[in-house]
Amino acid sequence: AQSVTQLGSHVSVSEGALVLLRCNYSSSVPPYLFWYVQYPNQGLQLLLKYTTGATLVKGINGFEAEFKKSETSFHLTKPSAHMSDAAEYFCAVSDPRGSQGNLIFGKGTKLSVKP
Amino acid sequence: DVKVTQSSRYLVKRTGEKVFLECVQDMDHENMFWYRQDPGLGLRLIYFSYDVKMKEKGDIPEGYSVSREKKERFSLILESASTNQTSMYLCASRSGTGWSSNQPQHFGDGTRLSIL
Repeated sequence: AQSVTQLGSHVSVSEGALVLLRCNYSSSVPPYLFWYVQYPNQGLQLLLKYTTGATLVKGINGFEAEFKKSETSFHLTKPSAHMSDAAEYFCAVSDPRGSQGNLIFGKGTKLSVKP
Repeated sequence: DVKVTQSSRYLVKRTGEKVFLECVQDMDHENMFWYRQDPGLGLRLIYFSYDVKMKEKGDIPEGYSVSREKKERFSLILESASTNQTSMYLCASRSGTGWSSNQPQHFGDGTRLSIL
């Protein structure tokens, strides 16, 4: 069965610093991969996704993620954090073979941005 | 833009009540989902539906049922609410037929349900 691990339930960075949120998955085939962001008292909003093709994927709000098959990773980065980036971030995977058919979510990483 | 609308942002009910949570999407998506979200546990799938009148159990269906009479509407029902069902409930929809899709799920703003 697939699983998703997000390292670090809480990450704190200073404004202007690099943001790195880690996501590793376990799957026998490369899955479809997604990052979502959740602001307080809101639903989840898609940041970016990887399905096929270029392994470096750019998303909204200056975020990007790189699919590394050899490391089974899909880490999310942003070169310079902004106060408005404070939120919870979820990595999710979907099996392209369709055996499960749905998204498997990581437990989330709360990002704090210090002034 | 896809719009997924959940009927209530906040809801307070009593133990033993039958509770209905409603979700409507406006993009003619085939697939709809109900999750609950609890601190430290992430999102857990309760039920999903890939077509009208079709439903499939997710990871935690106990104590819940669903209804999908029309394509745009997916209802979650707590048959007899209990305090351990106090949670944030999120509805989502996704385009694409078949079990898997490279299309993303689109989420509503959630319903924060308290059972007293």
